[in-house]
Amino acid sequence: EAQVTQNPRYLITVTGKKLTVTCSQNMNHEYMSWYRQDPGLGLRQIYYSMNVEVTDKGDVPEGYKVSRKEKRNFPLILESPSPNQTSLYFCASRYSQLGDTQYFGPGTRLTVL
Amino acid sequence: AQSVAQPEDQVNVAEGNPLTVKCTYSVSGNPYLFWYVQYPNRGLQFLLKYITGDNLVKGSYGFEAEFNKSQTSFHLKKPSALVSDSALYFCAVRDPSGYSTLTFGKGTMLLVSP
Repeated sequence: EAQVTQNPRYLITVTGKKLTVTCSQNMNHEYMSWYRQDPGLGLRQIYYSMNVEVTDKGDVPEGYKVSRKEKRNFPLILESPSPNQTSLYFCASRYSQLGDTQYFGPGTRLTVL
Repeated sequence: AQSVAQPEDQVNVAEGNPLTVKCTYSVSGNPYLFWYVQYPNRGLQFLLKYITGDNLVKGSYGFEAEFNKSQTSFHLKKPSALVSDSALYFCAVRDPSGYSTLTFGKGTMLLVSP
């Protein structure tokens, strides 16, 4: 089944404790991205990657890191999480053409205490 | 910069009635437009998209959307609403003139009453 997977689905952590949210897609998509969803703000892009070893900042990159060492994986790293990073996070992927549909993972609900 | 506006936080409609969820956009060139739906505790699911061609686009679950270039709108419609259509709907735009990011509106909650 073609899909985008994320792990963990739920995470409660404390301020300053490094964490990684994994994202993997099995559709051979070149483009991958991370979004956060907050009430009243919709989805905002954190980082995106056009292909392996090519990443760039989205609208809200502060406090986040990403890497793209393999085509299928695009982990999101929070080196020192803070409470304002409590949010619902989505990974997404698509082929490289701009008209292509973007497919989303199931989401990771992160709470930083 | 590209942007999307969904002017209604919530739309209420009775089952069997037609529904419309509004979306307007702003881009520098010809837009690529998308609608997604999010059910509770689920990810976003693709409904339909407009790239080029016919202004009326048909998508999943009986939804359709009409692209209106003069009004810069892309409203989502369905002739007869179902209770199971109750969900959060997002409109999104991508400017094809070299900017690859998909920009989302804030979302509209659709509530269909029995």
